[in-house]
Amino acid sequence: GAVVSQHPSWVICKSGTSVKIECRSLDFQATTMFWYRQFPKQSLMLMATSNEGSKATYEQGVEKDKFLINHASLTLSTLTVTSAHPEDSSFYICSANYQADTQYFGPGTRLTVL
Amino acid sequence: SQQGEEDPQALSIQEGENATMNCSYKTSINNLQWYRQNSGRGLVHLILIRSNEREKHSGRLRVTLDTSKKSSSLLITASRAADTASYFCAPLGTSGSRLTFGEGTQLTVNP
Repeated sequence: GAVVSQHPSWVICKSGTSVKIECRSLDFQATTMFWYRQFPKQSLMLMATSNEGSKATYEQGVEKDKFLINHASLTLSTLTVTSAHPEDSSFYICSANYQADTQYFGPGTRLTVL
Repeated sequence: SQQGEEDPQALSIQEGENATMNCSYKTSINNLQWYRQNSGRGLVHLILIRSNEREKHSGRLRVTLDTSKKSSSLLITASRAADTASYFCAPLGTSGSRLTFGEGTQLTVNP
């Protein structure tokens, strides 16, 4: 149990376009999901906390207008990278809270912006 | 939130040997979780130990927690080449559910 999926697993886009990444909890409901970003050979950086039915909470330094988060249901959160630029190229990982104190992570989405 | 600091940063051992990784944190916790990340993949949840527990086992994994020293250790016994990965600890503070991560320990198990 406690499986989290992400879609797509990788995406290549042109600079200036927007990209949407989906995060789903497959066999449990998650009122809270989290979005992380990871650059090569670095650790995961928490970007934002996504709460079902309310606005996301962004970490300091993360532009909320650039990284739009929507948590419309108990099993789905989406991250949209708007007007993507090459510096946004990264590995984006989501996680979902399971039974309040355990986080399960998705497999990640590799974004490459040309 | 608080992040754990893993030590050592890198560890290289031979297959069959045991691997020990340590984690330190700064403030009170509800629990501490260990994760594994293979290169280019998401994090895999390994084990959770609660603040009132001192030791926990899961297969070849053994986790200890010393809340007085604010430290935890992860022992992998009889390591295999497939254990090669980065390992992260994630302390969950008493005030929230956000997990943040340190640099991790890069474990290399040589066949």
